[in-house]
Amino acid sequence: DAGVIQSPRHEVTEMGQEVTLRCKPISGHNSLFWYRQTMMRGLELLIYFNNNVPIDDSGMPEDRFSAKMPNASFSTLKIQPSEPRDSAVYFCASSFGRSAQPQHFGDGTRLSIL
Amino acid sequence: AQSVTQLGSHVSVSEGALVLLRCNYSSSVPPYLFWYVQYPNQGLQLLLKYTSAATLVKGINGFEAEFKKSETSFHLTKPSAHMSDAAEYFCAVSPNAGGTSYGKLTFGQGTILTVHP
Repeated sequence: DAGVIQSPRHEVTEMGQEVTLRCKPISGHNSLFWYRQTMMRGLELLIYFNNNVPIDDSGMPEDRFSAKMPNASFSTLKIQPSEPRDSAVYFCASSFGRSAQPQHFGDGTRLSIL
Repeated sequence: AQSVTQLGSHVSVSEGALVLLRCNYSSSVPPYLFWYVQYPNQGLQLLLKYTSAATLVKGINGFEAEFKKSETSFHLTKPSAHMSDAAEYFCAVSPNAGGTSYGKLTFGQGTILTVHP
């Protein structure tokens, strides 16, 4: 069975460039979560969607960050313009959207902003 | 609001020794609880979950956890550590009450397990 698929796995770009991270959730899951992981701050929830609708974006650090979910099988996280402090591993996870159900994580995108 | 606290950001054991990773939760109603493992350069992988069916939960790779309501704990154990268990472990909580959580989890800060030969 296909798990959560994220692309790219690695991204290196220069400060000021636009970065787009992509996520394909597990088929049938109706909740999708974006996380950021750094050594300093650990695992942070940025935003999550249910049935393609953003539910809570209070974890998005700044207006430079935006996320969309145009359909049930695709989501993007965009950073524009990017800054070196955005360097981190970004994870996408999906679930059936109920309390007793676990989230399933992708392998992440390792982002380096030079 | 629910929260979890993982006691000890680093735990070191010898190969073959008991593994004990501690997790305490804060919730007015016993929540749903999860343990995840993260190997280097990978995403988080579900080890086991407690959803009120049984207090002792068995997971993958020989791990188990016991839900203790009186202690508000959900500690993770494995009788004999293996080198391949070296990873970071996260405890997470989800509400078990009225309302809709949409599957949101609140994660602990993680515990890095080191296994010495």
